[in-house]
Parts: sequence; C-alpha cells; structure tokens
Amino acid sequence: DTAVSQTPKYLVTQMGNDKSIKCEQNLGHDTMYWYKQDSKKFLKIMFSYNNKELIINETVPNRFSPKSPDKAHLNLHINSLELGDSAVYFCASSHRTGVSEQYFGPGTRLTVT
Amino acid sequence: AQSVTQLGSHVSVSEGALVLLRCNYSSSVPPYLFWYVQYPNQGLQLLLKYTSAATLVKGINGFEAEFKKSETSFHLTKPSAHMSDAAEYFCAVSENTNAGKSTFGDGTTLTVKP
Repeated sequence: DTAVSQTPKYLVTQMGNDKSIKCEQNLGHDTMYWYKQDSKKFLKIMFSYNNKELIINETVPNRFSPKSPDKAHLNLHINSLELGDSAVYFCASSHRTGVSEQYFGPGTRLTVT
Repeated sequence: AQSVTQLGSHVSVSEGALVLLRCNYSSSVPPYLFWYVQYPNQGLQLLLKYTSAATLVKGINGFEAEFKKSETSFHLTKPSAHMSDAAEYFCAVSENTNAGKSTFGDGTTLTVKP
C-alpha cells in the first residue's frame, strides 16, 4: 500500500506551458505539504494545507496554485512554466502540523526545456 | 524564527567506521527535531525524532541522536557504517503551533567507502 503517491513521476515540458502534479495520501492525515528540491538537494516548503485550509504559503510565485479538494488530496498547478521551475517536487503529509513526522511521496521530477 | 544548520555538506567514512552527522538548531520555543534520510531518486524517510521525551533517541537502521539543549545540537550517529547507509541526510526542526512548519537543513551527503 503506497502511503503518499504522486503522479506523474517524471514531467518534461516546454517553457510557457501549464502543468499539474497530483498527490494523494491514504494515511488519514490532516496536513499535506508541497516541497521543492533543487539540483543541490536543498528542500524548501512551498505550501501546507490542514483539513483543506491553506496554512502555509511561502514566498512562491503566484504561477503556482495548490488545490485541496479533500483531506486526502493536494494538487499543484503551475502556469507559464519557466526554466527555473525545473526541480523535484515532493508532496508530504503528517498527522498534525509541526509535532508529527512527515511522510513523503516519491517525488515528481519536472524538467522545463 | 527557527533554523537548522547542518555542518558539513559532505561526510565520507569507511565501512565499519563511526558515522557522525552534525545538526545545530535555533528555535524560540522548545523544538521538535527530526532526522530524515533520502536515498537516490526517492522521497525522504524518517530516521528518528525528538519530541521532548528522552534526550537520546533511537531510530531505524541503528541510528541514534542526542538532544543537547545547552549546545542546541541534535547530532546523528551510528557506531558502524554500512555501504547501504550512503544517502542524503536532512535534519529538521518544527514548532508546536497551529501553523507549525518544519524547517529543513541543507542536507549532508554521506559516502561510505569499502
């Protein structure tokens, strides 16, 4: 049973396109996150949702828009993709914000050409 | 504000040698501390966590970490390295708030030489 799943695993697209990444967790957690990991492996939080409510919104271009249709899903839509958006995007979930460990998905490697 | 500093972006040890990965944190409230491991082309997995109980925390795969408040440190150790321990290791700090987020260190790449 996959705890946190993401689709697609790889995404190659051209500059200016719009793309979405989907995330689902079957752990019954209340909180979900999106992280961006760059080529140097630095991991930065982008967004966090708790019970479908946005609670963390870091300094991210407004081309990135998260959507949480329910507690088990958190999708990431990216408009007008740029070269600098190339990275690995990780979805994660946790039982509670802050105090609980996070469970990470396998990542989506986005390459913008 | 909270922050994490991982000293040494690359650590290399021989198989069977002691592994020591350093993490120092800054937090305005009692912190929750975590170590995660990331194997190539995978997501992060929890190794261990400190949540204000015992200061010496044991995790998976023989790893442990000791919380030292006076030194604001949470170093990760393993007595004897295995080849399979080669990976990226991240230290993270969180605060117990409604919007508590985890702040991750920059990571340490562990290489294990045969």
